[in-house]
Amino acid sequence: NAGVTQTPKFQVLKTGQSMTLQCAQDMNHEYMSWYRQDPGMGLRLIHYSVGAGITDQGEVPNGYNVSRSTTEDFPLRLLSAAPSQTSVYFCASSYSLPTSGSRRTDTQYFGPGTRLTVL
Amino acid sequence: QKEVEQDPGPLSVPEGAIVSLNCTYSNSAFQYFMWYRQYSRKGPELLMYTYSSGNKEDGRFTAQVDKSSKYISLFIRDSQPSDSATYLCAMNDSWGKFQFGAGTQVVVTP
Repeated sequence: NAGVTQTPKFQVLKTGQSMTLQCAQDMNHEYMSWYRQDPGMGLRLIHYSVGAGITDQGEVPNGYNVSRSTTEDFPLRLLSAAPSQTSVYFCASSYSLPTSGSRRTDTQYFGPGTRLTVL
Repeated sequence: QKEVEQDPGPLSVPEGAIVSLNCTYSNSAFQYFMWYRQYSRKGPELLMYTYSSGNKEDGRFTAQVDKSSKYISLFIRDSQPSDSATYLCAMNDSWGKFQFGAGTQVVVTP
């Protein structure tokens, strides 16, 4: 199993450009999510999905779009990049929405991250 | 005010010492508590998962949860240089609201 993969690893954008961060998992996980990590802020949830065709907003969704057409893939789209979106982005997946009280199903597996700089 | 507070450190300890980390939270709906370890330029990985108040041990790691005080802790015994990383606490409620702490950077010196 490759686990959770993310591409690209690094990206530099100019203000106003758009791009898509790719995330894929091969563990047949239903729950997938996108986080951004900024110094002193920890991980903040952007969007999440509980299955193909179902997505919902997290804590900081503005400026980002997601879709989930397959179980494996969960791309994150930046519509018009802004310097405030400079961050490290992590994709994560788990068997189910992490609320069951079971370590096996609730454990979120993270990808290696994408470092994005917006000039 | 953040729902989860965690001292960012850095926390520097000599090899073999006990590392003590903690988080406080304000949302009494949080039921599940986790500690993640994150090495530099890597994604977080789950270390400990607890549901109820009390202690849970896994090798050199002990997680404590005190729901009455809204306080959780992680202890690392016999610390090693390979334990140098950022440790993030995380918690969620039964509806899936998930919050991470800011993370504490730990440095274990040989």
